[in-house]
Amino acid sequence: DAKTTQPNSMESNEEEPVHLPCNHSTISGTDYIHWYRQLPSQGPEYVIHGLTSNVNNRMASLAIAEDRKSSTLILHRATLRDAAVYYCILRDFDGGSNYKLTFGKGTLLTVNP
Amino acid sequence: EAGVAQSPRYKIIEKRQSVAFWCNPISGHATLYWYQQILGQGPKLLIQFQNNGVVDDSQLPKDRFSAERLKGVDSTLKIQPAKLEDSAVYLCASSLVRGGTGELFFGEGSRLTVL
Repeated sequence: DAKTTQPNSMESNEEEPVHLPCNHSTISGTDYIHWYRQLPSQGPEYVIHGLTSNVNNRMASLAIAEDRKSSTLILHRATLRDAAVYYCILRDFDGGSNYKLTFGKGTLLTVNP
Repeated sequence: EAGVAQSPRYKIIEKRQSVAFWCNPISGHATLYWYQQILGQGPKLLIQFQNNGVVDDSQLPKDRFSAERLKGVDSTLKIQPAKLEDSAVYLCASSLVRGGTGELFFGEGSRLTVL
């Protein structure tokens, strides 16, 4: 799996937007960009994923650079419940028979009240 | 729908003892994963099953770890004998083989402390 680079930690204030960056300069054309987050004492949970176009869902938005070498996860209004480790992961789509995620260390997001 | 169930949530053992963790995936999910997460690190894949066959076990320490998935549903991960460095959270996850987002659904994990 291609590697990603994320800051070790970031801080935000409650109710403000948060932009979590991820660099993936060696991304291949078939790599999907996935984001998961892990709240304290819980297993990771899916946040969002995309291939080329920007994506929105109820949890977040994903902005993908035109050259796909970087992406940004956007939380539009951070809440205290968004404090978690956020993982940016590249996953190759091999035709649907093998899904595997290789996690890095992620970004620890602290949300201040 | 019910999520991925794991047990026990916590286990404390002495080194050289054995331990087993159980996982029940989401109904209909053919793919099951076991991850090991050491404190301060991201989860590391130990083994991946598709139905009851092993797809990837390249990072499973086979001299002490074993896993099985009988009838393609529940799975058990065993450690025998345990070492101090096995202290970690063991996460089970499941996913659909085809279609959807390929999203992995994780359980809450089983925290192992080896003394």
